Amino acid sequence: DADVTQTPRNRITKTGKRIMLECSQTKGHDRMYWYRQDPGLGLRLIYYSFDVKDINKGEISDGYSVSRQAQAKFSLSLESAIPNQTALYFCATSDPPGHLQETQYFGPGTRLLVL
Amino acid sequence: RKEVEQDPGPFNVPEGATVAFNCTYSNSASQSFFWYRQDCRKEPKLLMSVYSSGNEDGRFTAQLNRASQYISLLIRDSKLSDSATYLCAFQGYSSASKIIFGSGTRLSIRP
Repeated sequence: DADVTQTPRNRITKTGKRIMLECSQTKGHDRMYWYRQDPGLGLRLIYYSFDVKDINKGEISDGYSVSRQAQAKFSLSLESAIPNQTALYFCATSDPPGHLQETQYFGPGTRLLVL
Repeated sequence: RKEVEQDPGPFNVPEGATVAFNCTYSNSASQSFFWYRQDCRKEPKLLMSVYSSGNEDGRFTAQLNRASQYISLLIRDSKLSDSATYLCAFQGYSSASKIIFGSGTRLSIRP
């Protein structure tokens, strides 16, 4: 079984609809992240959470919100979807910090198309 | 200046060739560096971390040049299976620092 799962894997929605993307992890990591990936722009951070009570905005948080329901679950919501939110969305978790370098583990991604 | 810059490619090289590409970063406080590999329509996966003294993992060699603020990835004896997009990433010194990713370099190995 995958350590980081995302649902749905693909979604088509219409402008103005509310949509939620879900992420679950079995790695026991405290840190979780949401990224979007667009061609030529690489991975851009939307929101991140260092523990259940900690939520932080990333570089492109406008139009998005998140919920950290438990250590293992981190959901991303688009309150009112718009076409330029069409992208590939990745959830990730990471090892706790320390003297070791922090590795990020990604889920398989959710392809979202907003019409 | 962007925080991290990569040549998007594509690099198109024959099987067996040696290929190298760089990634420059603007934040001199960056302390941790990485190369991730992303196959088409898949998630990125860590290829290797980059250490100050340089490090090697089989056919892959990573180097860090702090003075010029770039990291490099060298692939020797390239295989068809090396075709992918390679993302560089870096992180600041603080434990609260986020990891910043480059936009990726696309590599295509031809038979």
